[in-house]
Amino acid sequence: SYVLTQPPSVSVAPGKTARITCGGNNIGSYGVHWYQRRPGQAPVLVIYYDDDRPSAIPDRFSGSNSGNTATLTISRVEAGDEADYYCQVWDTRSNHVVFGGGTKLTVL
Amino acid sequence: EVQLLESGGGSAQPGGSLRLSCVASGFTLSSYAMNWVRQAPGKGLEWVSDIRGSGDTTYYADSVKGRFTISRDISKNTLYLHMSGLTAEDTAIYYCAKPRGTPLYFDSWGRGTLVTVSS
Repeated sequence: SYVLTQPPSVSVAPGKTARITCGGNNIGSYGVHWYQRRPGQAPVLVIYYDDDRPSAIPDRFSGSNSGNTATLTISRVEAGDEADYYCQVWDTRSNHVVFGGGTKLTVL
Repeated sequence: EVQLLESGGGSAQPGGSLRLSCVASGFTLSSYAMNWVRQAPGKGLEWVSDIRGSGDTTYYADSVKGRFTISRDISKNTLYLHMSGLTAEDTAIYYCAKPRGTPLYFDSWGRGTLVTVSS
């Protein structure tokens, strides 16, 4: 089955840029989606189809995808961005949804 | 406005069964696929199951295949997850999620219902 690999944690100072990676074999050929999950809350979609952003999500959030790595970039990080972030693809070979293991973003 | 409200969680013994429900509002289940996703304590999101909009095609994660059954009642606009043969590894918050697009992503989530499997 398809595997997505994320770093367990990323730390960044307020106002700086956070980059969270999601690795997978030829992931650039997949549409990658990203979710933010704050403690005690349901996940929220922040990026879909690699780099599209829902209207309610600030433009500080952006995404890219190429080769074997997809990246979620959060610019001008705020304390409220502290959360777990998950990447996700749809594996067409197995017809299964696949999530990465999640990355805990800590704002220092 | 799309809303998803799960219920049916609770405690179960190993080997036991539970049925989760997800009442949908703001859209009609017959027009959309629906999914269940879970998160075990201290773990990440894990996809569980998918039912296509036609209702006649379902998919399951290997970890639950043969033990869980996804279904829906269009008249009640309600999604279900029938869980049997429960083990401690099934302890998790279970979310229903509405997918969109191809390849699919989840644009709406419920608040989740907690299932605890323990003797």
